[in-house]
Amino acid sequence: GENVEQHPSTLSVQEGDSAVIKCTYSDSASNYFPWYKQELGKGPQLIIDIRSNVGEKKDQRIAVTLNKTAKHFSLHITETQPEDSAVYFCAASIGGSQGNLIFGKGTKLSVKP
Amino acid sequence: NAGVTQTPKFRVLKTGQSMTLLCAQDMNHEYMYWYRQDPGMGLRLIHYSVGEGTTAKGEVPDGYNVSRLKKQNFLLGLESAAPSQTSVYFCASSYFGLGSPLHFGNGTRLTVT
Repeated sequence: GENVEQHPSTLSVQEGDSAVIKCTYSDSASNYFPWYKQELGKGPQLIIDIRSNVGEKKDQRIAVTLNKTAKHFSLHITETQPEDSAVYFCAASIGGSQGNLIFGKGTKLSVKP
Repeated sequence: NAGVTQTPKFRVLKTGQSMTLLCAQDMNHEYMYWYRQDPGMGLRLIHYSVGEGTTAKGEVPDGYNVSRLKKQNFLLGLESAAPSQTSVYFCASSYFGLGSPLHFGNGTRLTVT
């Protein structure tokens, strides 16, 4: 079945450094790739998304890149801040569905001041 | 504007007991979802609805039932709870399907003993 693999599972960086989280997907029909941030005790919240007809998208300190040929996409956070500490999930749409998503297993990011 | 509200926030059940989790959204969204989140497993789709009166199975539907009698509400039922259903349950809604951001509630932590 469809699968999304996410690496690393944990990531620790110093404040001000960059953080990169990578995901690979298996369904060649996937065409929508969102990233969600989950803070402790809360539900996930969308931070950025990208569609298959775009290779890169930026929003201030956050960027996502997509390589459809290789079936992988990445989240880049620059100038990390302590408030970036959270669990990040990537997801990919399931081809043929009404847009249902399959999620990666998450990356716990810790930003040390 | 409350967004997505889940009740209850916590619940402890004994094996074999039944319960219903309630999700309410005030954003006039068409689509609603129930996910479960387990350590190291990410988010897995249980059931979803593409509009009032509709329901469909997701990735892990066994042991659960759902109903969407009103557009703003999506109920998740456990008829005979099992320890394997110990999890954090998240409800989400979206305006439409593919490409529409999911808005999550803050979760219900369920323990089955």
